[in-house]
Amino acid sequence: AQRVTQPEKLLSVFKGAPVELKCNYSYSGSPELFWYVQYSRQRLQLLLRHISRESIKGFTADLNKGETSFHLKKPFAQEEDSAMYYCALSRGSGAGSYQLTFGKGTKLSVIP
Amino acid sequence: EAQVTQNPRYLITVTGKKLTVTCSQNMNHEYMSWYRQDPGLGLRQIYYSMNVEVTDKGDVPEGYKVSRKEKRNFPLILESPSPNQTSLYFCASSLNRDEKLFFGSGTQLSVL
Repeated sequence: AQRVTQPEKLLSVFKGAPVELKCNYSYSGSPELFWYVQYSRQRLQLLLRHISRESIKGFTADLNKGETSFHLKKPFAQEEDSAMYYCALSRGSGAGSYQLTFGKGTKLSVIP
Repeated sequence: EAQVTQNPRYLITVTGKKLTVTCSQNMNHEYMSWYRQDPGLGLRQIYYSMNVEVTDKGDVPEGYKVSRKEKRNFPLILESPSPNQTSLYFCASSLNRDEKLFFGSGTQLSVL
């Protein structure tokens, strides 16, 4: 079974400090990994995914297959980064196994 | 405007009274799914659908039914709701497995 672990329920950092939101996964195949974000009073939305290897709003995430991790990082936190962050894993094996598993989420609070 | 629409936003019901939460998308997406969000448990997938008439169970399907008779609609049915189904429910869709999910605004369900 696939599993996504986000060890921190809450992470508080000062504005301008580096941020790292941890995500570890367990899955025997080749996963697709995502970070989703939910700002206050807004819908969940995709932040980034590992296959695109892009930087969104200053955030990056690298898939480390050896450590089975997909940590989200940003060098300098901004107040507007305060939100709930979810790591998610998608697998597909053969004909249409589109099951998507989310971690329990980490609430990031950026202190002014 | 491209979006996923869920109705209703809020629903209070009693144990055993059948209910349906509707979900509709106007983006011609193949993939649709339902999640429930509970404090401390994050998002858990209930059911998903890869296309019309193709559905499969997620992590927590017990007590729920779905149907996908048309591409744009993916209703969630609770035949006999119970208090442990009190939760915040999200519908989401994407073009296919590897594309980002678009989320609805959520349905807060309370079963008394």
